[in-house]
Amino acid sequence: DAKTTQPNSMESNEEEPVHLPCNHSTISGTDYIHWYRQLPSQGPEYVIHGLTSNVNNRMASLAIAEDRKSSTLILHRATLRDAAVYYCILREANAGGTSYGKLTFGQGTILTVHP
Amino acid sequence: DGGITQSPKYLFRKEGQNVTLSCEQNLNHDAMYWYRQDPGQGLRLIYYSQIVNDFQKGDIAEGYSVSREKKESFPLTVTSAQKNPTAFYLCASSPWTGRYTEAFFGQGTRLTVV
Repeated sequence: DAKTTQPNSMESNEEEPVHLPCNHSTISGTDYIHWYRQLPSQGPEYVIHGLTSNVNNRMASLAIAEDRKSSTLILHRATLRDAAVYYCILREANAGGTSYGKLTFGQGTILTVHP
Repeated sequence: DGGITQSPKYLFRKEGQNVTLSCEQNLNHDAMYWYRQDPGQGLRLIYYSQIVNDFQKGDIAEGYSVSREKKESFPLTVTSAQKNPTAFYLCASSPWTGRYTEAFFGQGTRLTVV
């Protein structure tokens, strides 16, 4: 399975943008890039995912490098509720992108948001 | 409400006893997963299942067993062979095919073996 590398921790101030990096140099052409986050004592929740193009949703944006060897999760205005562990995950798909493999988590990045 | 339910939230067992953790989903998802999380660590995959009556070992399957007799249910048994079973256990489900791949997680079961 392709692996991801994330910084152990990052800090931000409230209402400032946050850029969370993820390296995945061994990514294959059929791997989708997923981001989840986990608040203390809870199960992870889905944030966003993408394949090649940048993606936006109500929670965040995902910027994917042209060579797909890295990606960045962008929180446009951090709030105290965004303090969590953020996981970058590669999920294999078949050639048509219609079926998917297992979800394997790494260590994640602990995001601290200061008031 | 649609979702995934784990029970119980807290579980205490004596060393040497088997214990079964429940996981039920009404999201009509094909795939279900069990993860273990130790303090300050990420999630490690124990078992996963793509369809009924089929399941695959994850990275740390030793000392655990599962069954998938119904689409909605994926119970995990922590056996006495598991050397260090005290941990936070998380169950998840997701579609296995189609456009939407989001996985949903339960609230977890915190197992303490004394």
